[in-house]
Amino acid sequence: KQEVTQIPAALSVPEGENLVLNCSFTDSAIYNLQWFRQDPGKGLTSLLLIQSSQREQTSGRLNASLDKSSGRSTLYIAASQPGDSATYLCAVRGATNKLIFGTGTLLAVQP
Amino acid sequence: ETGVTQTPRHLVMGMTNKKSLKCEQHLGHNAMYWYKQSAKKPLELMFVYNFKEQTENNSVPSRFSPECPNSSHLFLHLHTLQPEDSALYLCASSHSSGTGYEQYFGPGTRLTVT
Repeated sequence: KQEVTQIPAALSVPEGENLVLNCSFTDSAIYNLQWFRQDPGKGLTSLLLIQSSQREQTSGRLNASLDKSSGRSTLYIAASQPGDSATYLCAVRGATNKLIFGTGTLLAVQP
Repeated sequence: ETGVTQTPRHLVMGMTNKKSLKCEQHLGHNAMYWYKQSAKKPLELMFVYNFKEQTENNSVPSRFSPECPNSSHLFLHLHTLQPEDSALYLCASSHSSGTGYEQYFGPGTRLTVT
């Protein structure tokens, strides 16, 4: 059974810092991995989708990497801003074709 | 805005009430999903519809009854709920339910069962 873990559960950084969020999954047989952002009381916004054949994806200040063999993904946020404060979720899609989510990392960027 | 809307945004209901949650997508997608997000737990998939047909029921209790009249609309009918059903219910859509397609989420309905 696929399990997704995100570390740390919460992170607080000063504005301007570069930071890395981690996601690990137990079954490396995945089709893709997706990073989402969730603001308090809101739905999920898709940030990046990495197919299993890809190593990384970039969008603006965000860069997501995927190492399928070791069951890991990282989300790198450059030059963090207070507006980046949110919960970041990663989800993997595997043989069951379901998105399996982690419990998220709550990020606070202090001005 | 993500193109997926949900109403109501907040709902408080007693255990004997019957209510419905509504989801509408304006993205031309063919697959729609219901998820449950409880405090301190990962999102859990509840139901999947592809071209109006239910393709997934993730062992959801019968007090939750989904309905998909067309590819743009999805409902979740609720009756005789329990307090532990209080959660954020999220709707999502994608081009189809096949692999490789991104899911786009609505803002959710915050449900409180008293």
